[in-house]
Amino acid sequence: KAGVTQTPRYLIKTRGQQVTLSCSPISGHRSVSWYQQTPGQGLQFLFEYFSETQRNKGNFPGRFSGRQFSNSRSEMNVSTLELGDSALYLCASRLTANQPQHFGDGTRLSIL
Amino acid sequence: GESVGLHLPTLSVQEGDNSIINCAYSNSASDYFIWYKQESGKGPQFIIDIRSNMDKRQGQRVTVLLNKTVKHLSLQIAATQPGDSAVYFCAERVTNKVIFGPGTSLSVIP
Repeated sequence: KAGVTQTPRYLIKTRGQQVTLSCSPISGHRSVSWYQQTPGQGLQFLFEYFSETQRNKGNFPGRFSGRQFSNSRSEMNVSTLELGDSALYLCASRLTANQPQHFGDGTRLSIL
Repeated sequence: GESVGLHLPTLSVQEGDNSIINCAYSNSASDYFIWYKQESGKGPQFIIDIRSNMDKRQGQRVTVLLNKTVKHLSLQIAATQPGDSAVYFCAERVTNKVIFGPGTSLSVIP
C-alpha cells in the first residue's frame, strides 16, 4: 500500500510570492492534516480536512489555506510568503480519528 | 501556532542497552497518545500508541507507559540499535486535535 505522497519535495521561493503544496493520502484515508515543522517551533498544526471540509484549524494567519478534493487529495497554499515561512511542511492522513496519523516525507520550502 | 517548548533534549545510549525517552504532556483531557520516530530527511513514522484507559502497551522492542496522575508518557526501546538513532516525538490528542511535544534526539553509540 502506497504511503502519503507529498510534492514537490523541495521548493525555493522569494518573499511576496505564493506557493501551493500537494498531498496524496494513503488510499482509503479521508482525513488529511497539515503541519509546519521548524527547528525553533517544532511541529505545529495547521489544519485538518475530512471529506472536503476543514474540521480543525491551528493558530496560523489567513495567508495559510488549504482544501481537499473529492478523491481526498489535499493542497495547501501560502500567499505573500515571508522569510519565516521557511520550513518543512508535512502532510498526514488517517483512517479514523481513533487511528494514528501517517506522515509523508514533507515539502522543504525555502524563502529567499 | 501551538507547540510545546523549543529545546530539543538529547539522549546517548550504548548499542544493546535499553533506552527510555520521557514526555510530559499538558492536557488532562487528552485521551490518546502516540509516539513517532523521525529520521533525517523523512517524515515522522508511527511507532506505537496508547489510549488513556490503559497504562502500558507493548510492541516489538518498544513499550509505552502512561501515568495520567502526573501526565507523563515514556517510550522504552529494548536492545537499542544504531538504526534507532532519530528524533522521537510524543503526541497527545485533545478534542480531535493532535499536539506534538518538542522531541528527543536519540543517538546510539556503536
